[in-house]
Amino acid sequence: NAGVTQTPKFRVLKTGQSMTLLCAQDMNHEYMYWYRQDPGMGLRLIHYSVGEGTTAKGEVPDGYNVSRLKKQNFLLGLESAAPSQTSVYFCASTPGQANRRSSYNEQFFGPGTRLTVL
Amino acid sequence: RKEVEQDPGPFNVPEGATVAFNCTYSNSASQSFFWYRQDCRKEPKLLMSVYSSGNEDGRFTAQLNRASQYISLLIRDSKLSDSATYLCVVATTDSWGKLQFGAGTQVVVTP
Repeated sequence: NAGVTQTPKFRVLKTGQSMTLLCAQDMNHEYMYWYRQDPGMGLRLIHYSVGEGTTAKGEVPDGYNVSRLKKQNFLLGLESAAPSQTSVYFCASTPGQANRRSSYNEQFFGPGTRLTVL
Repeated sequence: RKEVEQDPGPFNVPEGATVAFNCTYSNSASQSFFWYRQDCRKEPKLLMSVYSSGNEDGRFTAQLNRASQYISLLIRDSKLSDSATYLCVVATTDSWGKLQFGAGTQVVVTP
């Protein structure tokens, strides 16, 4: 099993450009998450999904959109990149249980995408 | 105020020594607690869960103090490979598995 994979690993964008980050997991996990990590700050949740076809906003959703058309994939989009979105982006998944709010399983993380917006 | 606060360190520890550090959380409804480990420029990985009665995993001991709202991690007989950033992680009820991460405590084990 590959676990959680992310593409691309690195990317440099110019202000105003758009891009999509892809997260894929082969563990049949229900829940998936997108985080950003900035120096001196903990991981902050951008958006998350508790099942195929469902998404919800996290702590810092502005400027990002997501889609979960297939259970194994969770896409993060930047429609118009800004320098403030320069960060390391991590995707994570956890088994979860559909329709169960209290489901604290280990989160498995992808290797991250390092994004620079000039 | 951050929901999860940690001393960023670095804690410089001689090989073989013991190091301990705490993390405080602000939400009294927090139900689950974890320590994750993050190596430089890598993804976080679960180190251990923290149980109310305290728990040990080899050289690592985690404690929870609900009254004072903090958790701690102690590393005994430190190895060079223990050098990493340790993330304090908290989950509340009804959170769909969402976690709150501290910014991390850096530990540097020196020969």
